[in-house]
Amino acid sequence: TQLLEQSPQFLSIQEGENLTVYCNSSSVFSSLQWYRQEPGEGPVLLVTVVTGGEVKKLKRLTFQFGDARKDSSLHITAAQPGDTGLYLCAGSSNYKLTFGKGTLLTVNP
Amino acid sequence: DSGVTQTPKHLITATGQRVTLRCSPRSGDLSVYWYQQSLDQGLQFLIQYYNGEERAKGNILERFSAQQFPDLHSELNLSSLELGDSALYFCASSAGTASGANVLTFGAGSRLTVL
Repeated sequence: TQLLEQSPQFLSIQEGENLTVYCNSSSVFSSLQWYRQEPGEGPVLLVTVVTGGEVKKLKRLTFQFGDARKDSSLHITAAQPGDTGLYLCAGSSNYKLTFGKGTLLTVNP
Repeated sequence: DSGVTQTPKHLITATGQRVTLRCSPRSGDLSVYWYQQSLDQGLQFLIQYYNGEERAKGNILERFSAQQFPDLHSELNLSSLELGDSALYFCASSAGTASGANVLTFGAGSRLTVL
């Protein structure tokens, strides 16, 4: 069974702070996706990373795929209250998508 | 609105009962996936259908079953319900068969409470 460990599980910060959340596994993935889920809604895809070492930027969000394609990180610069939500990573291998349990981020005004 | 429609949004029932959750995929998507989300287990893959055929099975209990109809909508049937089945049930759709290679679009979920 492939497991994706996300850390931290909970993160509460003030508006304007920077943060990084992590997604780690002992398994190699062909690609990795990051989703954000808000209360009462389903997860929404933020980005897909495919190549080891790949870095993608989405406004204030920076996503990195590890060189060995086993881990990933999400860095948010100058967090805003609108960034509040559950951040999920999902690894793809053999056509299966496995989700981590997520990091619940709260950005306080 | 993601384009994936799930009904009902909320459902409260008793142990031992049976319920059916319904999903209409995004227009043009042929694959439908069902996931269960709980606080302790996170988002767990249950089953995938592509164009009416079962394509992949995850941690789906024998008390649960699903199908995808010719019009591509899908239903998840949960029977002999137990307290532990209380969870959010999400449907997602994608264009193709390989969940890893495709973008999943999720519905808003059906919250099931078993009393």
